[in-house]
Amino acid sequence: GAGVSQSPSNKVTEKGKDVELRCDPISGHTALYWYRQSLGQGLEFLIYFQGNSAPDKSGLPSDRFSAERTGGSVSTLTIQRTQQEDSAVYLCASSQQENTEAFFGQGTRLTVV
Amino acid sequence: GNSVTQMEGPVTLSEEAFLTINCTYTATGYPSLFWYVQYPGEGLQLLLKATKADDKGSNKGFEATYRKETTSFHLEKGSVQVSDSAVYFCALSTNQAGTALIFGKGTTLSVSS
Repeated sequence: GAGVSQSPSNKVTEKGKDVELRCDPISGHTALYWYRQSLGQGLEFLIYFQGNSAPDKSGLPSDRFSAERTGGSVSTLTIQRTQQEDSAVYLCASSQQENTEAFFGQGTRLTVV
Repeated sequence: GNSVTQMEGPVTLSEEAFLTINCTYTATGYPSLFWYVQYPGEGLQLLLKATKADDKGSNKGFEATYRKETTSFHLEKGSVQVSDSAVYFCALSTNQAGTALIFGKGTTLSVSS
């Protein structure tokens, strides 16, 4: 595609529910990143994929968070049993190969009520 | 470990003032360095980059020079405009397999006319 696409753009969910956030990277990009941006905070790294494998999962904040990537393309970030502190903008980025500049999607704004 | 430190914001300037946003890094080896910008309501986009020591990245009147001796990549602009109001993120890539881009916390710039 022309750019990194994320869906939904906004998601309001009740505390305790599960949510799935989707990222469609730029076609041909092998590296895919998930970050979280909270109000007044910087970018918090969550997980990084090279192809379908995740060499760096160090940023996932708890075992309620998981992510997968299939076919070296689309990635899904799943948050189980959402908590209010999960409210943030979740950003996805992709790059042609690892260690080159990343291109970001518009993000998914998650609000847990 | 690898890290990026940016000056705390917000930075408030009048139009046509000189801008410096400090960024220093800690990394092993020979990282690549980036500045990203996030305009209000938009996603992050690459502003400029430098891949080796003494390289100068430039774009839209902004410049940053990769200084290995001081481990810095400060962002400068000679004359800011209201339209430059945004959040600026310094980032590094370690150029090592299996590592994600590392971002600073971001610096908010507000320019008034």
